[in-house]
Amino acid sequence: KAGVTQTPRYLIKTRGQQVTLSCSPISGHRSVSWYQQTPGQGLQFLFEYFSETQRNKGNFPGRFSGRQFSNSRSEMNVSTLELGDSALYLCASSLVRSTDTQYFGPGTRLTVL
Amino acid sequence: QQQVKQSPQSLIVQKGGISIINCAYENTAFDYFPWYQQFPGKGPALLIAIRPDVSEKKEGRFTISFNKSAKQFSLHIMDSQPGDSATYFCAATSRPGDAGSARQLTFGSGTQLTVLP
Repeated sequence: KAGVTQTPRYLIKTRGQQVTLSCSPISGHRSVSWYQQTPGQGLQFLFEYFSETQRNKGNFPGRFSGRQFSNSRSEMNVSTLELGDSALYLCASSLVRSTDTQYFGPGTRLTVL
Repeated sequence: QQQVKQSPQSLIVQKGGISIINCAYENTAFDYFPWYQQFPGKGPALLIAIRPDVSEKKEGRFTISFNKSAKQFSLHIMDSQPGDSATYFCAATSRPGDAGSARQLTFGSGTQLTVLP
Protein backbone atom coordinates (compact mmCIF):
# COMPACT_ATOMS: atom_id res chain seq x y z
CA LYS A 1 0.00 0.00 0.00
CA ALA A 2 1.43 3.37 -0.99
CA GLY A 3 2.25 5.80 1.79
CA VAL A 4 1.25 9.41 2.22
CA THR A 5 2.43 11.51 -0.68
CA GLN A 6 2.99 15.24 -0.67
CA THR A 7 3.64 17.58 -3.55
CA PRO A 8 5.66 19.51 -4.26
CA ARG A 9 8.60 18.41 -2.12
CA TYR A 10 10.29 21.81 -2.30
CA LEU A 11 8.99 25.32 -2.86
CA ILE A 12 10.62 28.72 -2.90
CA LYS A 13 8.36 31.76 -2.67
CA THR A 14 8.74 35.42 -1.85
CA ARG A 15 7.03 37.41 0.86
CA GLY A 16 3.46 38.35 0.07
CA GLN A 17 2.87 35.47 -2.30
CA GLN A 18 0.52 32.59 -1.62
CA VAL A 19 1.18 28.88 -1.85
CA THR A 20 -0.83 25.67 -2.11
CA LEU A 21 0.48 22.34 -0.88
CA SER A 22 -1.07 18.99 -1.68
CA CYS A 23 -1.41 15.75 0.26
CA SER A 24 -2.69 12.36 -0.81
CA PRO A 25 -3.43 10.09 2.16
CA ILE A 26 -2.96 6.37 2.33
CA SER A 27 -5.71 4.59 0.43
CA GLY A 28 -8.71 4.14 2.70
CA HIS A 29 -7.63 6.77 5.19
CA ARG A 30 -10.21 9.47 5.59
CA SER A 31 -8.57 11.82 8.04
CA VAL A 32 -5.80 14.19 7.04
CA SER A 33 -3.90 16.36 9.49
CA TRP A 34 -1.36 19.05 8.73
CA TYR A 35 1.63 19.98 10.88
CA GLN A 36 4.28 22.68 10.63
CA GLN A 37 7.82 21.78 11.62
CA THR A 38 10.42 24.46 12.35
CA PRO A 39 13.70 24.33 14.29
CA GLY A 40 12.41 26.85 16.79
CA GLN A 41 8.84 25.71 17.39
CA GLY A 42 9.14 22.02 16.61
CA LEU A 43 6.12 20.16 15.31
CA GLN A 44 2.88 22.09 15.62
CA PHE A 45 -0.60 21.02 14.65
CA LEU A 46 -2.28 23.14 11.99
CA PHE A 47 -5.62 21.50 11.29
CA GLU A 48 -7.38 18.25 10.57
CA TYR A 49 -9.92 17.33 7.93
CA PHE A 50 -12.33 14.46 7.85
CA SER A 51 -15.12 13.93 5.34
CA GLU A 52 -14.31 17.23 3.66
CA THR A 53 -14.85 19.13 6.92
CA GLN A 54 -12.32 20.82 9.14
CA ARG A 55 -12.69 19.02 12.48
CA ASN A 56 -9.89 20.55 14.49
CA LYS A 57 -7.67 23.60 14.22
CA GLY A 58 -4.44 24.61 15.88
CA ASN A 59 -3.30 28.05 16.92
CA PHE A 60 -2.33 29.53 13.55
CA PRO A 61 -3.52 32.72 11.86
CA GLY A 62 -6.26 32.73 9.28
CA ARG A 63 -3.68 32.98 6.50
CA PHE A 64 -3.38 29.23 6.89
CA SER A 65 -6.31 27.36 5.44
CA GLY A 66 -7.07 24.02 3.94
CA ARG A 67 -9.62 21.84 2.34
CA GLN A 68 -10.32 18.21 1.68
CA PHE A 69 -11.82 16.65 -1.40
CA SER A 70 -14.25 13.76 -1.69
CA ASN A 71 -11.38 11.36 -2.42
CA SER A 72 -9.77 12.43 0.92
CA ARG A 73 -6.95 14.29 -0.80
CA SER A 74 -6.20 17.53 0.97
CA GLU A 75 -4.69 20.86 0.13
CA MET A 76 -3.25 23.47 2.39
CA ASN A 77 -3.00 27.14 1.45
CA VAL A 78 -0.94 29.89 2.97
CA SER A 79 -1.69 33.43 1.81
CA THR A 80 0.42 36.57 2.17
CA LEU A 81 3.55 34.60 2.97
CA GLU A 82 5.89 35.82 5.69
CA LEU A 83 9.53 34.92 6.27
CA GLY A 84 8.49 33.03 9.39
CA ASP A 85 6.35 30.66 7.32
CA SER A 86 9.51 28.94 6.10
CA ALA A 87 9.13 25.43 7.40
CA LEU A 88 8.60 21.78 6.61
CA TYR A 89 4.88 21.18 6.21
CA LEU A 90 3.87 17.65 7.03
CA CYS A 91 0.69 15.84 6.23
CA ALA A 92 -0.46 12.83 8.22
CA SER A 93 -3.30 10.45 7.51
CA SER A 94 -5.22 8.04 9.67
CA LEU A 95 -8.21 5.74 9.46
CA VAL A 96 -9.94 7.41 12.42
CA ARG A 97 -11.79 5.50 15.10
CA SER A 98 -10.38 2.12 14.13
CA THR A 99 -6.82 3.22 14.78
CA ASP A 100 -5.06 6.05 16.55
CA THR A 101 -1.96 5.85 14.41
CA GLN A 102 -1.09 8.73 12.13
CA TYR A 103 1.20 8.14 9.19
CA PHE A 104 3.27 11.04 7.96
CA GLY A 105 4.29 11.98 4.46
CA PRO A 106 7.79 13.23 3.59
CA GLY A 107 6.72 16.86 3.83
CA THR A 108 6.98 19.94 1.66
CA ARG A 109 9.92 22.20 2.39
CA LEU A 110 8.74 25.80 1.95
CA THR A 111 11.29 28.58 1.83
CA VAL A 112 10.06 32.18 1.89
CA LEU A 113 12.54 34.78 0.67
CA GLN B 1 -1.55 21.88 30.01
CA GLN B 2 -0.96 20.70 26.45
CA GLN B 3 2.83 20.61 26.63
CA VAL B 4 5.03 17.58 26.40
CA LYS B 5 8.53 18.20 27.69
CA GLN B 6 11.32 16.12 26.17
CA SER B 7 14.94 15.67 27.22
CA PRO B 8 17.76 15.62 26.39
CA GLN B 9 17.89 17.85 23.32
CA SER B 10 20.80 15.84 21.96
CA LEU B 11 22.37 12.52 22.86
CA ILE B 12 25.58 10.84 21.78
CA VAL B 13 25.93 7.13 22.44
CA GLN B 14 28.53 4.56 21.50
CA LYS B 15 27.51 1.66 19.31
CA GLY B 16 26.06 -1.10 21.47
CA GLY B 17 25.10 1.29 24.24
CA ILE B 18 21.68 2.18 25.61
CA SER B 19 19.97 5.38 24.51
CA ILE B 20 17.41 6.84 26.88
CA ILE B 21 15.06 9.70 26.04
CA ASN B 22 12.61 11.07 28.57
CA CYS B 23 9.29 12.86 28.28
CA ALA B 24 6.89 14.37 30.77
CA TYR B 25 3.36 15.64 30.39
CA GLU B 26 0.76 17.53 32.39
CA ASN B 27 -2.53 16.81 30.70
CA THR B 28 -4.10 13.83 32.45
CA ALA B 29 -6.50 13.41 29.53
CA PHE B 30 -3.66 12.11 27.38
CA ASP B 31 -4.21 8.42 26.78
CA TYR B 32 -1.95 7.48 23.90
CA PHE B 33 1.78 8.06 23.76
CA PRO B 34 3.59 7.37 20.48
CA TRP B 35 7.25 7.83 19.65
CA TYR B 36 8.29 8.94 16.21
CA GLN B 37 11.65 8.61 14.46
CA GLN B 38 12.64 11.14 11.84
CA PHE B 39 15.57 10.97 9.45
CA PRO B 40 16.77 14.06 7.59
CA GLY B 41 14.56 14.84 4.63
CA LYS B 42 11.85 12.44 5.77
CA GLY B 43 8.62 12.73 7.66
CA PRO B 44 8.30 11.29 11.17
CA ALA B 45 7.68 7.53 11.24
CA LEU B 46 5.86 5.80 14.06
CA LEU B 47 8.31 3.74 16.08
CA ILE B 48 6.37 2.43 19.05
CA ALA B 49 3.41 3.55 21.14
CA ILE B 50 1.94 2.85 24.54
CA ARG B 51 -1.29 3.36 26.42
CA PRO B 52 -1.32 4.21 30.15
CA ASP B 53 -2.84 0.89 31.17
CA VAL B 54 0.57 -0.79 30.80
CA SER B 55 3.88 0.21 32.33
CA GLU B 56 6.15 -1.11 29.62
CA LYS B 57 6.05 -2.08 25.97
CA LYS B 58 8.87 -3.66 24.05
CA GLU B 59 9.34 -4.05 20.33
CA GLY B 60 12.70 -5.43 19.33
CA ARG B 61 15.41 -3.13 20.64
CA PHE B 62 12.92 -0.37 21.49
CA THR B 63 11.15 -0.19 24.85
CA ILE B 64 8.76 2.39 26.25
CA SER B 65 8.56 2.71 30.01
CA PHE B 66 5.51 4.50 31.35
CA ASN B 67 4.95 5.94 34.82
CA LYS B 68 1.36 7.13 35.04
CA SER B 69 1.60 8.57 38.56
CA ALA B 70 4.65 10.65 37.65
CA LYS B 71 3.22 11.50 34.21
CA GLN B 72 6.45 10.48 32.59
CA PHE B 73 7.43 8.09 29.84
CA SER B 74 10.71 7.19 28.25
CA LEU B 75 12.16 5.46 25.23
CA HIS B 76 15.02 3.03 25.66
CA ILE B 77 17.01 1.89 22.64
CA MET B 78 19.05 -1.16 23.49
CA ASP B 79 22.21 -2.10 21.58
CA SER B 80 22.13 1.26 19.78
CA GLN B 81 23.37 1.20 16.19
CA PRO B 82 24.69 3.94 13.88
CA GLY B 83 21.55 3.44 11.78
CA ASP B 84 19.52 4.59 14.78
CA SER B 85 21.01 8.07 14.43
CA ALA B 86 17.96 10.25 13.89
CA THR B 87 15.71 12.71 15.67
CA TYR B 88 13.22 11.15 18.06
CA PHE B 89 9.97 12.78 19.08
CA CYS B 90 7.70 11.75 21.86
CA ALA B 91 4.07 12.70 21.50
CA ALA B 92 0.82 12.49 23.38
CA THR B 93 -2.78 12.69 22.44
CA SER B 94 -6.21 12.43 23.96
CA ARG B 95 -9.49 11.13 22.71
CA PRO B 96 -11.12 13.91 20.68
CA GLY B 97 -14.42 15.34 21.75
CA ASP B 98 -15.75 14.75 18.25
CA ALA B 99 -15.87 11.00 17.70
CA GLY B 100 -15.32 11.50 14.00
CA SER B 101 -12.05 13.35 14.42
CA ALA B 102 -8.57 12.01 14.46
CA ARG B 103 -6.37 12.56 17.44
CA GLN B 104 -4.33 15.74 17.57
CA LEU B 105 -0.72 14.95 18.37
CA THR B 106 1.17 17.14 20.83
CA PHE B 107 4.86 16.64 20.23
CA GLY B 108 7.90 16.99 22.42
CA SER B 109 10.73 19.17 21.16
CA GLY B 110 12.77 16.28 19.81
CA THR B 111 16.06 14.56 20.66
CA GLN B 112 18.82 14.32 18.12
CA LEU B 113 20.49 10.96 18.68
CA THR B 114 23.94 10.21 17.32
CA VAL B 115 25.31 6.70 17.64
CA LEU B 116 29.04 6.56 17.14
CA PRO B 117 30.50 3.54 15.31
